[in-house]
Parts: sequence; C-alpha cells; structure tokens
Amino acid sequence: GAVVSQHPSRVICKSGTSVKIECRSLDFQATTMFWYRQFPKQSLMLMATSNEGSKATYEQGVEKDKFLINHASLTLSTLTVTSAHPEDSSFYICSALHKGQRKAMEQYFGPGTRLTVT
Amino acid sequence: GEDVEQSLFLSVREGDSSVINCTYTDSSSTYLYWYKQEPGAGLQLLTYIFSNMDMKQDQRLTVLLNKKDKHLSLRIADTQTGDSAIYFCAEIETGRRALTFGSGTRLQVQP
Repeated sequence: GAVVSQHPSRVICKSGTSVKIECRSLDFQATTMFWYRQFPKQSLMLMATSNEGSKATYEQGVEKDKFLINHASLTLSTLTVTSAHPEDSSFYICSALHKGQRKAMEQYFGPGTRLTVT
Repeated sequence: GEDVEQSLFLSVREGDSSVINCTYTDSSSTYLYWYKQEPGAGLQLLTYIFSNMDMKQDQRLTVLLNKKDKHLSLRIADTQTGDSAIYFCAEIETGRRALTFGSGTRLQVQP
C-alpha cells in the first residue's frame, strides 16, 4: 500500500516550452502533496506544498508563476514548468501525505521525473 | 533556519553492521525519518521515530535518537549489497508538514 506514481518518468523538452508532471497517490487519499527538486548528488529541496482544493504554498525563492501547481483531487497533483530553461533541468520528486490519521506522519514519495531542457 | 547534516560516504563489508549518523539543529523537531534512495529512483521510507522516543527497532534497522545532542543514527545489521544506496535523514518541525532533508549518506557495501 501507499504507492505514489509520477508521469512522465523522463522528459526532454526544448527551451521555452512548458512541461506538465503528474503525481498520483494510487491506493490512498492525500490532502497534501509536496514537490521537491533534487540536483545531482545533492539533497531534496522543497519547492511547494500542494493542498487539495486550495492554492499551493511556495517556498522562498521559488517562482509561483513559473512552477504552476494544481491539486484538483485527493489523488492528483500536477506541476507545470512554464517557459522552461536549461537551468530548470533537474530531478523533480513529489510526495504525498497520507490522509488517514494513523499514518498522518508518513510521507510517501514518487519515483521522480527527470527533466532535461535543451 | 533548520539544518540537518550527514556524513557523505560510508563503506562497509557485506555482513557487517552499518551505522549512518545525522545531526540536526532544530529542537522543535517532532518526527525524524530515514529514507533510502537507489540510483535514479524516488525515496523509500525506511522508518521514523517520534521525538519522545530513544530507540526504535524494525527487523535489521535500529534507530537511536539522542535528543539532548540532537543526534540520530540508523544501524543496519548484517548489511547486504542490496543495501547500497543513499540514505537521507529528515525531520519535521512543529507546525510544518514538509520534510527538511540532510545531504544524504552514500552507503557502499563491498562483497
């Protein structure tokens, strides 16, 4: 149980285009999902917190107009990288917080999406 | 702000025990976690401990928490080659739900 999927797993796009990444909780409901970014050989940095039915909360330094987050249902959050540039190339990982109270502190991660902007 | 630190690399022989250490600065941390990341993959939750606990054991994994020194460790007994990965410790502070991660420790298990 507690499986999180991401789609696509890998994407290559041209500079200036937009890319949408999906994060789904497959067998549980998640009122909160998180988007992290990981550079090679580095740790995960939180980008934003996505709450179902409300606006996302962005961390300091993260451009909300560039990284659009939508959390339309209890099982799906999307991250759209708009007007992508090569410096946006990274590994993007989402996580979902289990809605159930007993598992409320268990955060489950997706497999990640490798974005390469050429 | 909060800060979580780990040593970058650990090498052990198969069958030995591995101990991965982590220090954190935020005294308001409520939960502390250990995650495993294999190359090109997401993070797998291994275990977590509530801040009022000193120890938690789960099969080959033992977590020790010294809250006074803000030190967390993960011991893997009988380490196997499949344990080779990067291990991240992470914390949640009071009032937040997102995780703050350490830099990760690369564990290399030699046959």
